[in-house]
Amino acid sequence: AQTVTQSQPEMSVQEAETVTLSCTYDTSESDYYLFWYKQPPSRQMILVIRQEAYKQQNATENRFSVNFQKAAKSFSLKISDSQLGDAAMYFCAYRRGIQGAQKLVFGQGTRLTINP
Amino acid sequence: KAGVTQTPRYLIKTRGQQVTLSCSPISGHRSVSWYQQTPGQGLQFLFEYFSETQRNKGNFPGRFSGRQFSNSRSEMNVSTLELGDSALYLCASSSQDRVSGANVLTFGAGSRLTVL
Repeated sequence: AQTVTQSQPEMSVQEAETVTLSCTYDTSESDYYLFWYKQPPSRQMILVIRQEAYKQQNATENRFSVNFQKAAKSFSLKISDSQLGDAAMYFCAYRRGIQGAQKLVFGQGTRLTINP
Repeated sequence: KAGVTQTPRYLIKTRGQQVTLSCSPISGHRSVSWYQQTPGQGLQFLFEYFSETQRNKGNFPGRFSGRQFSNSRSEMNVSTLELGDSALYLCASSSQDRVSGANVLTFGAGSRLTVL
């Protein structure tokens, strides 16, 4: 079974600085997708960024980027120029690459605090 | 374009009762999946429906059930409620990303269930 591990229960960063959230996963499959979701106090899960395992290039979405190390099974999220609105729980998630597969396996989450 | 709508947002039940939660997916999305979120267990996959058929099921007891209607709306039911069923229940609907082919899940705001 696939597992996702986030080893940092809490992180904090000064506004405008950069922070990196860690995620490792375990799978025997070669085709899969990885995601970072953000859950603010409103509880709405919001997709931040996704990465296809077959792509070597790291995904980037504005201030958010990932460092995808397939061999090491590592998928970290870097947030640049942190803003107060970035404060939230961040979840790393894995999904199999099989067509139609919907099940996401989530990590335990990292609570990110932004200090003004 | 309306998002994923979950009702009710909050509800309180007592042990032994049953509860039904509703989820209306984004228009055009045919897949709906459900997750349970608790402080102790984190986010866990309950089940997924596609075109009125359950396509995948998580490791939950038979008290947890669901269904999907022809308009893709979905309901989940929990019978004989236990204190441990207190959780945020999240619904997600999905479509296939046109560029990557990945199924992108969009979550609703959740239904917060408290069992007394």
